[in-house]
Amino acid sequence: GESVGLHLPTLSVQEGDNSIINCAYSNSASDYFIWYKQESGKGPQFIIDIRSNMDKRQGQRVTVLLNKTVKHLSLQIAATQPGDSAVYFCAEIPGNQFYFGTGTSLTVIP
Amino acid sequence: DSGVTQTPKHLITATGQRVTLRCSPRSGDLSVYWYQQSLDQGLQFLIQYYNGEERAKGNILERFSAQQFPDLHSELNLSSLELGDSALYFCASSVGGEGEQYFGPGTRLTVT
Repeated sequence: GESVGLHLPTLSVQEGDNSIINCAYSNSASDYFIWYKQESGKGPQFIIDIRSNMDKRQGQRVTVLLNKTVKHLSLQIAATQPGDSAVYFCAEIPGNQFYFGTGTSLTVIP
Repeated sequence: DSGVTQTPKHLITATGQRVTLRCSPRSGDLSVYWYQQSLDQGLQFLIQYYNGEERAKGNILERFSAQQFPDLHSELNLSSLELGDSALYFCASSVGGEGEQYFGPGTRLTVT
């Protein structure tokens, strides 16, 4: 199967600081990527997506960067808030298949 | 609230049994996805339907099957259940065949 790995299983940041969550993917054919947020006891929530013809995409307080050369994806959260505490997953989508990373647990320290 | 509903919320059953999980997508969404989330396997994509037709198949076991009905709700059937099938099963929907997905609250299946 595919391998979508996260560099850090846990991340703690101070409220107001920026957070960076990283993800490595393995399939060069992956042309679509999604970041999800999952709060405790809830289903995953779509945050932002990016296609392989882009290297950066911005949303509200979030930016996704894609480096196809090294098969690396990152999610940047600006001015992290307590409500951002959750597990974050990246997913790579080669064709119509979805492969998820194990997740990074983000804790925001007030 | 994502607008995606799943029933039941919890399900406890014995090995060898068969269960059906139900999902109603958001109004207007044509695609339904099924996922399994367990502690040891993480989140795994099972299958996707688009407007009643199977569109993509992931790591879905042969003991599992799904379908999407004309009213666009979907059911995931799990048979010959094993202890390892205990997991959270999520359904998600999207307007088209890809793009932003909205996840339901999940069904927690416990096989004893």
